[in-house]
Amino acid sequence: GENVEQHPSTLSVQEGDSAVIKCTYSDSASNYFPWYKQELGKGPQLIIDIRSNVGEKKDQRIAVTLNKTAKHFSLHITETQPEDSAVYFCAARGKLSFGAGTTVTVRA
Amino acid sequence: KAGVTQTPRYLIKTRGQQVTLSCSPISGHRSVSWYQQTPGQGLQFLFEYFSETQRNKGNFPGRFSGRQFSNSRSEMNVSTLELGDSALYLCASSELSGYQNTEAFFGQGTRLTVV
Repeated sequence: GENVEQHPSTLSVQEGDSAVIKCTYSDSASNYFPWYKQELGKGPQLIIDIRSNVGEKKDQRIAVTLNKTAKHFSLHITETQPEDSAVYFCAARGKLSFGAGTTVTVRA
Repeated sequence: KAGVTQTPRYLIKTRGQQVTLSCSPISGHRSVSWYQQTPGQGLQFLFEYFSETQRNKGNFPGRFSGRQFSNSRSEMNVSTLELGDSALYLCASSELSGYQNTEAFFGQGTRLTVV
Protein backbone atom coordinates (compact mmCIF):
# COMPACT_ATOMS: atom_id res chain seq x y z
CA GLY A 1 0.00 0.00 0.00
CA GLU A 2 0.89 3.68 -0.07
CA ASN A 3 3.44 4.94 2.44
CA VAL A 4 3.63 8.69 3.02
CA GLU A 5 6.41 10.25 5.04
CA GLN A 6 6.19 13.82 6.29
CA HIS A 7 8.88 16.12 7.66
CA PRO A 8 9.38 17.89 9.96
CA SER A 9 7.11 16.71 12.75
CA THR A 10 7.19 20.14 14.41
CA LEU A 11 7.97 23.55 12.98
CA SER A 12 8.24 26.87 14.79
CA VAL A 13 8.46 30.05 12.72
CA GLN A 14 8.43 33.76 13.39
CA GLU A 15 5.36 35.60 12.21
CA GLY A 16 5.94 36.83 8.70
CA ASP A 17 8.47 34.13 7.83
CA SER A 18 7.83 31.19 5.50
CA ALA A 19 7.07 27.59 6.49
CA VAL A 20 7.84 24.55 4.35
CA ILE A 21 6.62 21.00 4.93
CA LYS A 22 7.84 18.10 2.81
CA CYS A 23 6.31 14.73 2.03
CA THR A 24 7.41 11.69 0.09
CA TYR A 25 5.24 8.84 -1.17
CA SER A 26 5.92 5.34 -2.39
CA ASP A 27 3.14 4.42 -4.83
CA SER A 28 4.00 5.75 -8.27
CA ALA A 29 0.33 5.29 -9.26
CA SER A 30 -0.76 8.05 -6.86
CA ASN A 31 -2.11 11.00 -8.82
CA TYR A 32 -3.70 13.28 -6.30
CA PHE A 33 -2.04 14.97 -3.34
CA PRO A 34 -4.15 16.99 -0.89
CA TRP A 35 -3.04 18.95 2.14
CA TYR A 36 -5.15 19.27 5.25
CA LYS A 37 -5.04 21.68 8.18
CA GLN A 38 -6.37 20.52 11.52
CA GLU A 39 -7.07 22.94 14.33
CA LEU A 40 -7.60 21.84 17.89
CA GLY A 41 -10.91 20.06 18.38
CA LYS A 42 -11.78 20.05 14.69
CA GLY A 43 -11.62 17.65 11.81
CA PRO A 44 -8.98 18.10 9.08
CA GLN A 45 -9.85 20.79 6.55
CA LEU A 46 -8.74 20.56 2.92
CA ILE A 47 -6.64 23.66 2.18
CA ILE A 48 -5.02 22.92 -1.17
CA ASP A 49 -4.44 19.98 -3.48
CA ILE A 50 -2.46 19.14 -6.57
CA ARG A 51 -2.84 16.59 -9.30
CA SER A 52 -0.01 14.89 -11.09
CA ASN A 53 -0.47 16.79 -14.33
CA VAL A 54 0.87 20.02 -12.78
CA GLY A 55 4.07 20.82 -10.93
CA GLU A 56 2.91 23.74 -8.82
CA LYS A 57 -0.29 25.29 -7.57
CA LYS A 58 -0.77 28.48 -5.58
CA ASP A 59 -3.65 29.91 -3.57
CA GLN A 60 -2.88 33.24 -1.93
CA ARG A 61 -0.20 32.56 0.71
CA ILE A 62 -0.22 28.81 0.22
CA ALA A 63 1.53 26.90 -2.55
CA VAL A 64 2.18 23.24 -3.24
CA THR A 65 4.87 21.77 -5.48
CA LEU A 66 5.06 18.24 -6.85
CA ASN A 67 7.98 16.29 -8.21
CA LYS A 68 6.59 13.02 -9.58
CA THR A 69 9.98 11.72 -10.63
CA ALA A 70 11.34 12.01 -7.12
CA LYS A 71 7.96 11.19 -5.54
CA HIS A 72 7.87 14.16 -3.25
CA PHE A 73 5.64 17.16 -2.74
CA SER A 74 5.82 20.18 -0.49
CA LEU A 75 3.60 22.78 1.14
CA HIS A 76 4.83 26.35 1.31
CA ILE A 77 3.18 28.97 3.51
CA THR A 78 4.46 32.51 3.04
CA GLU A 79 4.03 35.51 5.36
CA THR A 80 2.87 33.26 8.18
CA GLN A 81 0.29 34.53 10.64
CA PRO A 82 -0.70 33.28 14.11
CA GLU A 83 -3.87 31.72 12.66
CA ASP A 84 -1.66 29.44 10.56
CA SER A 85 -0.74 27.59 13.78
CA ALA A 86 -2.21 24.09 13.41
CA VAL A 87 -1.32 20.52 12.48
CA TYR A 88 -0.84 20.01 8.77
CA PHE A 89 -1.20 16.66 7.03
CA CYS A 90 -0.15 15.68 3.55
CA ALA A 91 -1.85 12.77 1.80
CA ALA A 92 -1.56 10.70 -1.34
CA ARG A 93 -4.70 9.48 -3.00
CA GLY A 94 -5.50 5.91 -3.62
CA LYS A 95 -7.12 5.10 -0.33
CA LEU A 96 -5.91 8.45 0.97
CA SER A 97 -2.84 7.63 3.04
CA PHE A 98 -1.68 10.38 5.35
CA GLY A 99 1.66 11.60 6.59
CA ALA A 100 2.17 11.71 10.35
CA GLY A 101 1.48 15.44 10.51
CA THR A 102 3.46 18.60 11.18
CA THR A 103 2.62 20.82 14.12
CA VAL A 104 3.25 24.39 13.02
CA THR A 105 3.56 27.12 15.61
CA VAL A 106 3.77 30.72 14.45
CA ARG A 107 5.38 32.96 17.08
CA ALA A 108 4.02 36.48 17.24
CA LYS B 1 -24.51 22.56 1.14
CA ALA B 2 -24.25 21.04 4.58
CA GLY B 3 -20.90 19.55 5.48
CA VAL B 4 -20.07 16.11 6.80
CA THR B 5 -21.97 15.36 10.00
CA GLN B 6 -20.74 12.91 12.58
CA THR B 7 -22.70 11.86 15.63
CA PRO B 8 -22.25 11.75 18.48
CA ARG B 9 -19.39 14.22 19.05
CA TYR B 10 -18.31 12.64 22.31
CA LEU B 11 -18.78 9.18 23.73
CA ILE B 12 -17.59 7.39 26.85
CA LYS B 13 -17.82 3.61 26.94
CA THR B 14 -16.63 0.83 29.20
CA ARG B 15 -14.21 -1.90 28.16
CA GLY B 16 -16.02 -4.82 26.59
CA GLN B 17 -18.96 -2.76 25.37
CA GLN B 18 -19.71 -2.03 21.76
CA VAL B 19 -20.27 1.30 20.06
CA THR B 20 -21.82 2.58 16.84
CA LEU B 21 -20.77 5.85 15.26
CA SER B 22 -22.64 7.60 12.48
CA CYS B 23 -21.53 9.69 9.52
CA SER B 24 -23.74 11.60 7.08
CA PRO B 25 -21.76 12.64 4.00
CA ILE B 26 -22.18 15.78 1.93
CA SER B 27 -25.29 15.59 -0.21
CA GLY B 28 -24.50 13.85 -3.49
CA HIS B 29 -21.34 12.19 -2.20
CA ARG B 30 -21.37 8.42 -2.39
CA SER B 31 -18.04 7.57 -0.76
CA VAL B 32 -17.45 7.52 2.97
CA SER B 33 -14.10 6.65 4.49
CA TRP B 34 -13.35 6.15 8.18
CA TYR B 35 -10.14 7.00 10.01
CA GLN B 36 -8.86 6.56 13.51
CA GLN B 37 -6.73 9.40 14.86
CA THR B 38 -4.52 8.95 17.91
CA PRO B 39 -1.61 11.09 19.10
CA GLY B 40 0.91 8.32 18.56
CA GLN B 41 -0.37 6.83 15.29
CA GLY B 42 -1.70 9.79 13.35
CA LEU B 43 -4.52 9.20 10.87
CA GLN B 44 -5.04 5.50 10.23
CA PHE B 45 -7.37 4.32 7.47
CA LEU B 46 -10.10 1.96 8.62
CA PHE B 47 -12.26 1.37 5.53
CA GLU B 48 -14.06 3.00 2.66
CA TYR B 49 -17.62 2.46 1.51
CA PHE B 50 -18.95 3.43 -1.87
CA SER B 51 -22.51 2.80 -3.01
CA GLU B 52 -23.13 0.49 -0.04
CA THR B 53 -20.08 -1.68 -0.80
CA GLN B 54 -16.83 -1.79 1.11
CA ARG B 55 -14.12 -0.82 -1.38
CA ASN B 56 -11.01 -0.73 0.76
CA LYS B 57 -10.00 -1.89 4.18
CA GLY B 58 -7.12 -0.92 6.46
CA ASN B 59 -5.22 -3.08 8.90
CA PHE B 60 -7.62 -3.16 11.81
CA PRO B 61 -9.01 -6.22 13.61
CA GLY B 62 -12.42 -7.63 12.79
CA ARG B 63 -13.88 -5.86 15.84
CA PHE B 64 -14.06 -2.80 13.61
CA SER B 65 -16.81 -3.00 11.03
CA GLY B 66 -18.94 -0.67 9.03
CA ARG B 67 -21.78 -0.38 6.63
CA GLN B 68 -23.33 2.13 4.29
CA PHE B 69 -26.98 2.70 3.62
CA SER B 70 -28.74 3.53 0.37
CA ASN B 71 -28.78 7.24 1.29
CA SER B 72 -24.95 7.08 1.63
CA ARG B 73 -25.00 7.51 5.40
CA SER B 74 -22.49 5.24 7.04
CA GLU B 75 -22.08 3.65 10.43
CA MET B 76 -19.01 2.26 12.06
CA ASN B 77 -19.20 -0.32 14.81
CA VAL B 78 -16.55 -1.37 17.27
CA SER B 79 -17.27 -4.43 19.39
CA THR B 80 -15.58 -5.62 22.58
CA LEU B 81 -14.00 -2.23 23.21
CA GLU B 82 -10.45 -2.01 24.48
CA LEU B 83 -8.71 0.90 26.20
CA GLY B 84 -6.56 1.32 23.11
CA ASP B 85 -9.64 2.09 21.02
CA SER B 86 -9.84 5.51 22.64
CA ALA B 87 -9.36 7.93 19.76
CA LEU B 88 -10.91 10.51 17.52
CA TYR B 89 -12.84 8.74 14.76
CA LEU B 90 -13.14 10.77 11.58
CA CYS B 91 -15.14 10.16 8.48
CA ALA B 92 -14.42 11.69 5.11
CA SER B 93 -16.90 12.20 2.31
CA SER B 94 -16.06 12.10 -1.40
CA GLU B 95 -18.10 12.34 -4.54
CA LEU B 96 -16.39 9.31 -6.05
CA SER B 97 -14.47 6.31 -4.80
CA GLY B 98 -10.99 6.86 -3.44
CA TYR B 99 -9.04 5.61 -6.43
CA GLN B 100 -10.72 8.14 -8.65
CA ASN B 101 -8.78 10.97 -7.08
CA THR B 102 -11.48 13.31 -5.84
CA GLU B 103 -11.43 15.67 -2.91
CA ALA B 104 -12.26 14.28 0.51
CA PHE B 105 -13.94 16.40 3.17
CA PHE B 106 -13.86 15.53 6.83
CA GLY B 107 -16.40 15.75 9.59
CA GLN B 108 -15.63 17.05 13.09
CA GLY B 109 -15.08 13.55 14.39
CA THR B 110 -16.38 11.50 17.28
CA ARG B 111 -14.17 11.48 20.35
CA LEU B 112 -14.43 7.99 21.88
CA THR B 113 -13.07 7.37 25.34
CA VAL B 114 -12.95 3.82 26.65
CA VAL B 115 -12.66 3.47 30.42
